Amino acid sequence: DAGVTQSPTHLIKTRGQQVTLRCSPKSGHDTVSWYQQALGQGPQFIFQYYEEEERQRGNFPDRFSGHQFPNYSSELNVNALLLGDSALYLCASSSGQGPYGYTFGSGTRLTVV
Amino acid sequence: GESVGLHLPTLSVQEGDNSIINCAYSNSASDYFIWYKQESGKGPQFIIDIRSNMDKRQGQRVTVLLNKTVKHLSLQIAATQPGDSAVYFCAENRGNAGNMLTFGGGTRLMVKP
Repeated sequence: DAGVTQSPTHLIKTRGQQVTLRCSPKSGHDTVSWYQQALGQGPQFIFQYYEEEERQRGNFPDRFSGHQFPNYSSELNVNALLLGDSALYLCASSSGQGPYGYTFGSGTRLTVV
Repeated sequence: GESVGLHLPTLSVQEGDNSIINCAYSNSASDYFIWYKQESGKGPQFIIDIRSNMDKRQGQRVTVLLNKTVKHLSLQIAATQPGDSAVYFCAENRGNAGNMLTFGGGTRLMVKP
């Protein structure tokens, strides 16, 4: 039973560019949440997708957007990259909209230069 | 603002000893708490959770204690092993916050052989 898979594992982008990160949820899960984890800090909630809609959003600018597909997979897009966007981006899947049963992927390490 | 935080950033223990990792929270509306373990290069891994209507919950070698009076959460690891070396995060879900988890800053546990 595959867990949460994220791609790519590592990525280097130049300031001002755009990036797309991908996530496939654990089998049986229909909800995807994205978190940003800066080095040495705890993850911070970006947003959650359920039934192909953004259901909840954290304190992140509109440069951060996402999408959920009919197969429950999800993408995180970040436009106009800043140096401060360098972080580990984590995807977590769960069943339903409750906070229970979160399963995290191993993340995408994004470096902005 | 309100947040979940940790008292000690680094904890060093001898193999076989018991470990206690502490966490403070400030939002009395929080009703669900989770401890995660994060190893280098991996996403957070669920350890144990507890709801606000409980004071204590035990798992395999781990116990979580919740003191709502002083808004304090702790994780006890019995007979700590080298494989327990990792960063540990507490996270809270606030009842009116949907699926979102708010994480603390993390404590690094180092187990000496």
